[in-house]
Amino acid sequence: GAGVSQTPSNKVTEKGKYVELRCDPISGHTALYWYRQSLGQGPEFLIYFQGTGAADDSGLPNDRFFAVRPEGSVSTLKIQRTERGDSAVYLCASSAAVGGNNEQFFGPGTRLTVL
Amino acid sequence: AQKITQTQPGMFVQEKEAVTLDCTYDTSDPSYGLFWYKQPSSGEMIFLIYQGSYDQQNATEGRYSLNFQKARKSANLVISASQLGDSAMYFCAMREGFTGNQFYFGTGTSLTVIP
Repeated sequence: GAGVSQTPSNKVTEKGKYVELRCDPISGHTALYWYRQSLGQGPEFLIYFQGTGAADDSGLPNDRFFAVRPEGSVSTLKIQRTERGDSAVYLCASSAAVGGNNEQFFGPGTRLTVL
Repeated sequence: AQKITQTQPGMFVQEKEAVTLDCTYDTSDPSYGLFWYKQPSSGEMIFLIYQGSYDQQNATEGRYSLNFQKARKSANLVISASQLGDSAMYFCAMREGFTGNQFYFGTGTSLTVIP
């Protein structure tokens, strides 16, 4: 079946611009996660959705970052007034349930470059 | 303190040999889960193996096994009979608490399989 998909695969923008990154989770997965992976690092948690609601947004670095999941499937990560330090690969993951041995299935990521 | 520590930035192994990738973790929660992911150059994170904190036996999945030493807080990944396709980044991750939603990742180990 189809895995997690993310669009665009690459995004180049200028400092100060607004960007949106999209994630399509695996069909039927109620849990959705966003992570950010900087060069040479492991993924760092940003936000977690259970259904339509953001159940944990403790990883969002500041109020320029926002994410939505209005219908409980597709999610969009929004970054306002982008800064060069936002350059990273943004990974989306989904899981059928949370906890236990439920692994998170990851998408291919969106590579964001802020010039 | 880092929740996941991977001390080997890079490892080399001869094809058909076994290799161990180290991972130590830090948590005071008695319930947690440990995961290993493989990240090829394409960028997608691929789930390999899971070990729960209450599991009595070491997890195994095909050529992958997890050497779980609870008292030492280590969860090393053993890959047997290495193949050229095993060359990739490997990340250890932890879920804290039985229903913890975010995964904490280490900085990864780059494995190169030599023909």
